Amino acid sequence: DQQVKQNSPSLSVQEGRISILNCDYTNSMFDYFLWYKKYPAEGPTFLISISSIKDKNEDGRFTVFLNKSAKHLSLHIVPSQPGDSAVYFCAASAAAGGTSYGKLTFGQGTILTVHP
Amino acid sequence: DTEVTQTPKHLVMGMTNKKSLKCEQHMGHRAMYWYKQKAKKPPELMFVYSYEKLSINESVPSRFSPECPNSSLLNLHLHALQPEDSALYLCASSQDLTAYEQYFGPGTRLTVT
Repeated sequence: DQQVKQNSPSLSVQEGRISILNCDYTNSMFDYFLWYKKYPAEGPTFLISISSIKDKNEDGRFTVFLNKSAKHLSLHIVPSQPGDSAVYFCAASAAAGGTSYGKLTFGQGTILTVHP
Repeated sequence: DTEVTQTPKHLVMGMTNKKSLKCEQHMGHRAMYWYKQKAKKPPELMFVYSYEKLSINESVPSRFSPECPNSSLLNLHLHALQPEDSALYLCASSQDLTAYEQYFGPGTRLTVT
């Protein structure tokens, strides 16, 4: 039962254009969402997050949008740069559940390739 | 210092060997985690420690034995592993269990022969 889904295994964009990575979730108890970037042979790097009480969070070139009614979030990267090429994981947490404290549920990841 | 370090980077072990993975952080974080990641899959949570006590064990086989000797160190002791245990083992830390953001180390690439 995959509670966090990233339906696009890969995405290819041109440098300078917008990259949009999507993530869907099924567990309505999730109350916090994160995006991680992962380069080969490295651990995931925290990128940006959003609480369920918000619908948008922005940090430089990265913006995360949350649509709670659709159980959907997206990460926008503008403008995209070749150095953004990596695997992007969406993750969710349902910390209010007591026993779920500390547990992140990850999506399958999307490989982003930004072409010069 | 915002780094989580893991040693060794690579480990090859036989099914009868005993080995240990080490993780260290000096960010003052009080929650530490072990994840397992297979190729082309997301990280899967194995164990969570909070204030040096085991908080979550995600039904991990007993051939994996975690240990948290102090607030900066986390070990994963390995014994009698199977080839299917070959994976990238990731350590992470967070301020405490109420902090959502987890910071990951580079991982140990484990191969069981």
